Amino acid sequence: DSGVTQTPKHLITATGQRVTLRCSPRSGDLSVYWYQQSLDQGLQFLIQYYNGEERAKGNILERFSAQQFPDLHSELNLSSLELGDSALYFCASSDPRSFEQYFGPGTRLTVT
Amino acid sequence: ELKVEQNPLFLSMQEGKNYTIYCNYSTTSDRLYWYRQDPGKSLESLFVLLSNGAVKQEGRLMASLDTKARLSTLHITAAVHDLSATYFCAVDPYFGNEKLTFGTGTRLTIIP
Repeated sequence: DSGVTQTPKHLITATGQRVTLRCSPRSGDLSVYWYQQSLDQGLQFLIQYYNGEERAKGNILERFSAQQFPDLHSELNLSSLELGDSALYFCASSDPRSFEQYFGPGTRLTVT
Repeated sequence: ELKVEQNPLFLSMQEGKNYTIYCNYSTTSDRLYWYRQDPGKSLESLFVLLSNGAVKQEGRLMASLDTKARLSTLHITAAVHDLSATYFCAVDPYFGNEKLTFGTGTRLTIIP
């Protein structure tokens, strides 16, 4: 158990819908990262937040957005969903002393 | 654009044998990560290598980093079935940014 929690574990929804994925980092970690894992694209970095502020952006679609709240939990919002958005979405948080990134259990999103 | 290549992509090996997984990357970086992923599960941090010549060992796994050659290796000694998993390397090209770019992964199967 990495200490990073994600909800829900599984999500099945239809094309065109909007979903919100939630992540709580390890206690004391200020950074949260979102990654997408799919068969086509592999593991891709989406976005990073540090203490509430967006810090780095990767291959995140305009239909996707994220935020980090004052209690440091983060939400990833995916809208106008397409079949190709079906993937495992991971959240990670990092230990600034060791630079390790600890991954949560992931949310498996299926778009039908 | 940073490219991270792993080889081999698939590896079947017998228990008791030694083997090496290679990770090449295309840009300067002093920070390289190795992760393990079991099917349908999250990523487990194995090693963080932070400088040229860094070597870390844990059990039957040993990782090393040569930043001049832009190469990291993950060496498996006397493989056992429990090591069957997919192994990913990831590179952080922007020191302090921690925006990881992952390799394609190496699916390792240990045959009794």
